[in-house]
Amino acid sequence: EAGVTQFPSHSVIEKGQTVTLRCDPISGHDNLYWYRRVMGKEIKFLLHFVKESKQDESGMPNNRFLAERTGGTYSTLKVQPAELEDSGVYFCASSHDDRGTEAFFGQGTRLTVV
Amino acid sequence: AQSVAQPEDQVNVAEGNPLTVKCTYSVSGNPYLFWYVQYPNRGLQFLLKYITGDNLVKGSYGFEAEFNKSQTSFHLKKPSALVSDSALYFCAVRRYNFNKFYFGSGTKLNVKP
Repeated sequence: EAGVTQFPSHSVIEKGQTVTLRCDPISGHDNLYWYRRVMGKEIKFLLHFVKESKQDESGMPNNRFLAERTGGTYSTLKVQPAELEDSGVYFCASSHDDRGTEAFFGQGTRLTVV
Repeated sequence: AQSVAQPEDQVNVAEGNPLTVKCTYSVSGNPYLFWYVQYPNRGLQFLLKYITGDNLVKGSYGFEAEFNKSQTSFHLKKPSALVSDSALYFCAVRRYNFNKFYFGSGTKLNVKP
């Protein structure tokens, strides 16, 4: 069974540019999450999809961040325009059931805004 | 507010010695507790979880963790550390019937030969 995959693994962009991160969850997992770890701090929740619907987007930092999950399969997270403080590692995770099961994480996308 | 604390940024232990990585939490209601490990250039890998039942849970690679409700702790342990255990460890908590995970800041475990 393929795991959660994220693209790209690394991205270096200039302040003001746009970047789109992609996440392919494990097939059949309705729940998809985005998390971010900034500057060695805790991993913080960004948002949660159930199929194509946003269940909880309370962690999205501001309106420069836009997440989509068209068709309930893969998801994209767009940052436009990027700022220096957006640098960090963005993790995607998916889970089959939302009652006490673990989530499976991708390897992360390391975003550096210069 | 829900939170997870990992009080040690780094834990150093000699190979063959027991190891403990500490985690305390603050969450409303009954918690679901998890440990994840991140090896260099890899994603987070699930190690073990506590949902209900026996307070001592066993997981992958010989790790175990003990849920202590009165102390709101979920410390990760291993009786005999291996050099290959060196990695970044994250404690996470989830509220009953909620989907969001709350993570700690991570503890870097260094196991020296």
